[in-house]
Amino acid sequence: EVQLVQSGAEVKKPGESLKISCKGSGYSFTSYWIGWVRQMPGKGLEWMGIIYPNDSDTRYSPSFQGQVTISADKSISTAYLQWSSLKASDTATFFCARCQLPYFPYYGMDVWGQGTTVTVSS
Amino acid sequence: EIVLTQSPGTLSLSPGERATLSCRASQSVSSSDLAWYQQKPGQAPRLLIYGASSRATGIPDRFSGSGSGADFTLIISRLEPEDFAVYYCQQYGRSFTFGGGTKVEIK
Repeated sequence: EVQLVQSGAEVKKPGESLKISCKGSGYSFTSYWIGWVRQMPGKGLEWMGIIYPNDSDTRYSPSFQGQVTISADKSISTAYLQWSSLKASDTATFFCARCQLPYFPYYGMDVWGQGTTVTVSS
Repeated sequence: EIVLTQSPGTLSLSPGERATLSCRASQSVSSSDLAWYQQKPGQAPRLLIYGASSRATGIPDRFSGSGSGADFTLIISRLEPEDFAVYYCQQYGRSFTFGGGTKVEIK
């Protein structure tokens, strides 16, 4: 079964760092782009960025460039999203998702992780 | 950055009715670069349509997509109880952006 499994919920304080993960299985992890999507409480979907695990080619939404870091470790089929200094406004659910077409970031995102809820509060 | 505007914000319909959802782009989008997703509360989004009109694997044929240029449409021909959800369009041509969503609720 093709699936993405994300790390569990996090509760952090402002200023703390955080790295959440997304582990792929059931397919060739290095062949498909993985994206990250933010959903703030009660709000819509926001695309954050995307990475090609084979060579770590990464593209960010202008809204998130410099705010987060997307990375991947192909040896363990895992993509990451990290913050160096969290803010209360980072409170949200974060989804990873696989682009449907191998090798290219096209044709939509067909496999999604279950989401990781991050709560940032003092 | 391409902005996608979805309308209406909320659609109140009864099971069996037809739903027509609109997605308008701030500049022209290639038809091959437009997708639609469904999201239910507490769940991850699900890919419905890609390439503006191609149904994703396992999506019933009551869902159809169309459009070109800057105007795209998702039609649900006969609403089933499980179709009441929020729907998002997404373009993945020049970068990626999502529309703000349309909630389809039971009337």
